[in-house]
Amino acid sequence: ETGVTQSPTHLIKTRGQQVTLRCSSQSGHNTVSWYQQALGQGPQFIFQYYREEENGRGNFPPRFSGLQFPNYSSELNVNALELDDSALYLCASSRQDRFDEQYFGPGTRLTVT
Amino acid sequence: SQQGEEDPQALSIQEGENATMNCSYKTSINNLQWYRQNSGRGLVHLILIRSNEREKHSGRLRVTLDTSKKSSSLLITASRAADTASYFCATQYGNNRLAFGKGNQVVVIP
Repeated sequence: ETGVTQSPTHLIKTRGQQVTLRCSSQSGHNTVSWYQQALGQGPQFIFQYYREEENGRGNFPPRFSGLQFPNYSSELNVNALELDDSALYLCASSRQDRFDEQYFGPGTRLTVT
Repeated sequence: SQQGEEDPQALSIQEGENATMNCSYKTSINNLQWYRQNSGRGLVHLILIRSNEREKHSGRLRVTLDTSKKSSSLLITASRAADTASYFCATQYGNNRLAFGKGNQVVVIP
């Protein structure tokens, strides 16, 4: 297992609500990336945080936002939830000089009803 | 999009047999990686092959990369029931992001 942890494990929300997902990176890693994985699909890059700032973003609307804290942990916030936001959300941590070595957490399963 | 496409999508084999999966991608890459995912949980990194490499081995895994065809293959030899999982290829681009394919579901029958 990697040293990346995510919370909560599972979450059920109603359409229109807001959700916050959390990720603690592996020791020594200062970069966190978030991915969305819909059922039966591969993960899709949402964004990456480095030095507490967004460092690249995929094709996701602004209602997907994030934070990175001084201890390198990170949050993913999704506003105005839609049914299609139901997915497994994965975070991955890495060192800024080794993006090719990303270590994934176990994910948070979000269900929007 | 850099997204890779794996072929075949689903594979069912007997324990002890070899499993081969293919992946294609669309544009230039820095490297290509293969990941395993069990039961919709976190991704486990299996192997990375750089764009200037053609073949790489790790235990029972063998990966090839053909940059002229923009394709890669993953071979798992002497499969075990524990190899039952989904396998994804991912290409690294833009220095900091991974683009994943849709994945192969592999079932190894004991």
